[in-house]
Amino acid sequence: GIQVEQSPPDLILQEGANSTLRCNFSDSVNNLQWFHQNPWGQLINLFYIPSGTKQNGRLSATTVATERYSLLYISSSQTTDSGVYFCAVESQAGTALIFGKGTTLSVSS
Amino acid sequence: DAGVIQSPRHEVTEMGQEVTLRCKPISGHNSLFWYRQTMMRGLELLIYFNNNVPIDDSGMPEDRFSAKMPNASFSTLKIQPSEPRDSAVYFCASSFGGTGGYTFGSGTRLTVV
Repeated sequence: GIQVEQSPPDLILQEGANSTLRCNFSDSVNNLQWFHQNPWGQLINLFYIPSGTKQNGRLSATTVATERYSLLYISSSQTTDSGVYFCAVESQAGTALIFGKGTTLSVSS
Repeated sequence: DAGVIQSPRHEVTEMGQEVTLRCKPISGHNSLFWYRQTMMRGLELLIYFNNNVPIDDSGMPEDRFSAKMPNASFSTLKIQPSEPRDSAVYFCASSFGGTGGYTFGSGTRLTVV
């Protein structure tokens, strides 16, 4: 099945810093989503982005489908950005979203 | 819309007991997914339904697990008998044909003692 690799596994930032999270995948995809799992365990959908670029406030994402990677940018990070960021993909031959292991982000004030 | 609704939020049960988790998908969504999250295995797909029909249950760990979707607005995941290694957070998600993305419920934290 499709493989999803996220990097870095852990990231520690000072409030106000910018960061880039990466997601590599091993096959063509129909669906790619970025999720934020907050400290209470909720999975919040950030972006549905099988290709192209989207922006939502301080967050933006880019997926280059032909090169099989996606990037999540967080600018001017805040303590509320802390948590785990997951990339999940559904391959063109697949059945449902498959999740990466996540990037754990800690933002301190 | 109230989103995907799961119940209960927390469940503590004794080994050997039957556990039933419930999910109400977003109205109009025709695909429903059950996932399990553990520290060791991360987020893994258990089963998914399309138009109330189970499509892929290859992720169901063993026969103790079963899932049903009797109608478009309700699904259950049952574990019988439960074991301590079933302790995890169980998430339900729904989507419309896989397009526009999945929406997840708040999860059920299951503890089997």
